[in-house]
Amino acid sequence: SQELEQSPQSLIVQEGKNLTINCTSSKTLYGLYWYKQKYGEGLIFLMMLQKGGEEKSHEKITAKLDEKKQQSSLHITASQPSHAGIYLCGADLANFGNEKLTFGTGTRLTIIP
Amino acid sequence: ETGVTQSPTHLIKTRGQQVTLRCSSQSGHNTVSWYQQALGQGPQFIFQYYREEENGRGNFPPRFSGLQFPNYSSELNVNALELDDSALYLCASSPGGQLHEQFFGPGTRLTVL
Repeated sequence: SQELEQSPQSLIVQEGKNLTINCTSSKTLYGLYWYKQKYGEGLIFLMMLQKGGEEKSHEKITAKLDEKKQQSSLHITASQPSHAGIYLCGADLANFGNEKLTFGTGTRLTIIP
Repeated sequence: ETGVTQSPTHLIKTRGQQVTLRCSSQSGHNTVSWYQQALGQGPQFIFQYYREEENGRGNFPPRFSGLQFPNYSSELNVNALELDDSALYLCASSPGGQLHEQFFGPGTRLTVL
């Protein structure tokens, strides 16, 4: 089984609606990264969370880290076509402290007009 | 500030051949990590180089090897290519040390026939 599970695997949302993507770990999260990927391209850095309870926002995207639940969520408010893509969470699961990341399988987000 | 660059963009090889992929890290970054991303999967950690030394390795066989140069650029070499090596190869750079933002390049798409 995957050490890092993302849900849902895919999401179709009407433009303007809010959505949440979850990332759950089977191990302690020492650092959690969120990336966005367009099909077949590189990963675009969104946010990094390190401490339990930490919450960061950038434009209409907010990410939270629940250390006790070993879970992170990514919330998009008032979705736009530009938000479409694959969202990946990556985590340091061994407290290496040097960004050797384990990734989930991704959530494919489609925005419909 | 120049971001992470990778070359070539695409590559087609036949089974048994050898391949070298290249990565130039972002200015000021001394750590480069390599990941393999199969279709529909999240990236998998191959290995990391820090100041020209290998600094951790994922679950990949020895035919995957690498180098980091004094300017912190890096190479990934794969010998005796297998069909399953077909994937998007991503490199990421960071400043090194404790957890930092890690920035990815656009990737090299390798197809093994």
